[in-house]
Amino acid sequence: DVKVTQSSRYLVKRTGEKVFLECVQDMDHENMFWYRQDPGLGLRLIYFSYDVKMKEKGDIPEGYSVSREKKERFSLILESASTNQTSMYLCASSFQGAPGEQYFGPGTRLTVT
Amino acid sequence: GENVEQHPSTLSVQEGDSAVIKCTYSDSASNYFPWYKQELGKRPQLIIDIRSNVGEKKDQRIAVTLNKTAKHFSLHITETQPEDSAVYFCAASRATGNQFYFGTGTSLTVIP
Repeated sequence: DVKVTQSSRYLVKRTGEKVFLECVQDMDHENMFWYRQDPGLGLRLIYFSYDVKMKEKGDIPEGYSVSREKKERFSLILESASTNQTSMYLCASSFQGAPGEQYFGPGTRLTVT
Repeated sequence: GENVEQHPSTLSVQEGDSAVIKCTYSDSASNYFPWYKQELGKRPQLIIDIRSNVGEKKDQRIAVTLNKTAKHFSLHITETQPEDSAVYFCAASRATGNQFYFGTGTSLTVIP
């Protein structure tokens, strides 16, 4: 059974703080993704990674960075949190090759005050 | 890049009726189309998917149809039940790379 976990379910941070969101998967997936989910906007891709130390920008990378030092772990970093980054953040993972199911984590509800 | 549009944004049906959600995509290179269901407070989960070499796929009460020429695909839920109430997302993906482009979601409410 695929398991994708995220470090926190709820997080409250102040404007200007550096924020780390972590995602771990246990299925040896090559691909990992970070999305943010906002009402009426669906799931928007922030960054993704096809391999260790490799990253690609998604549709909305501004204000975010990522790190993938190990295959099972993919971190999302908000260098200086702002109120417009208040959102639900979802991590996902999948096998490489032909497109197939992405498995999602439970999400982190981040509030920036 | 790919642009996926999803309609309607909200849908209410009586229990036992059918529900249909429609998506269009722009990139003719897209060839994988998954549908995700997200219940309140839970993670999105895949409920059905279809690849471009197939026109229709069915799994019990759920079916997906794909029209490659018109670049649209639809989710059909028959004999709806209250537990079908959730937000449904469509997505499209190309053969190369695994990036999904999601629609904006449809909130389905099944009224008992």
